[in-house]
Amino acid sequence: GESVGLHLPTLSVQEGDNSIINCAYSNSASDYFIWYKQESGKGPQFIIDIRSNMDKRQGQRVTVLLNKTVKHLSLQIAATQPGDSAVYFCAENLSSLVGGSNYKLTFGKGTLLTVNP
Amino acid sequence: ETGVTQTPRHLVMGMTNKKSLKCEQHLGHNAMYWYKQSAKKPLELMFVYNFKEQTENNSVPSRFSPECPNSSHLFLHLHTLQPEDSALYLCASSQDPTSGSGEQFFGPGTRLTVL
Repeated sequence: GESVGLHLPTLSVQEGDNSIINCAYSNSASDYFIWYKQESGKGPQFIIDIRSNMDKRQGQRVTVLLNKTVKHLSLQIAATQPGDSAVYFCAENLSSLVGGSNYKLTFGKGTLLTVNP
Repeated sequence: ETGVTQTPRHLVMGMTNKKSLKCEQHLGHNAMYWYKQSAKKPLELMFVYNFKEQTENNSVPSRFSPECPNSSHLFLHLHTLQPEDSALYLCASSQDPTSGSGEQFFGPGTRLTVL
């Protein structure tokens, strides 16, 4: 069935290192993916998105990679900072389906990223 | 104010109480959503409103009753809840979901505790 999950529930890195957060999805028809960051006491905040016609997309200090062959999504954070400590969620969406519910994002459980000073 | 706001931020209620959660978005979006976030579980979509019309009820118990008087405001009316309903309730909004990227903007949530 449709599901989005994460390989690792927790990730601890040193300040300044690069972080990689992984996500696996099971629905090969999904064509739009989003990464969200949720800090303690706050709602999820958009980080970056990618459509299935792309393999890579870069933002400020973040890169999302999409491997449709193995249905894998990753978020790379360069030079991780203490302010990056949060739970990171990936979500998938079937936006291109005709008549489909393209507003339904399916979320993974999240990975807790801890940045050590 | 900008973005998506939610009130109250924290709520403690008994199982026989009636309360309401409020969400307001200042982004000019047409779609609004209620999510439930429980510990160690993925975000669960509860309701979706598009242009004030409810387009999704994701098998939510009737003790949760949504209301969307206009495209900027969304309420979640609570009645005779159970302790297992304790969770963070998140509101989100997005542009017309039939077009655009599908990105949803979230509020800070209401932390609900049912005694």
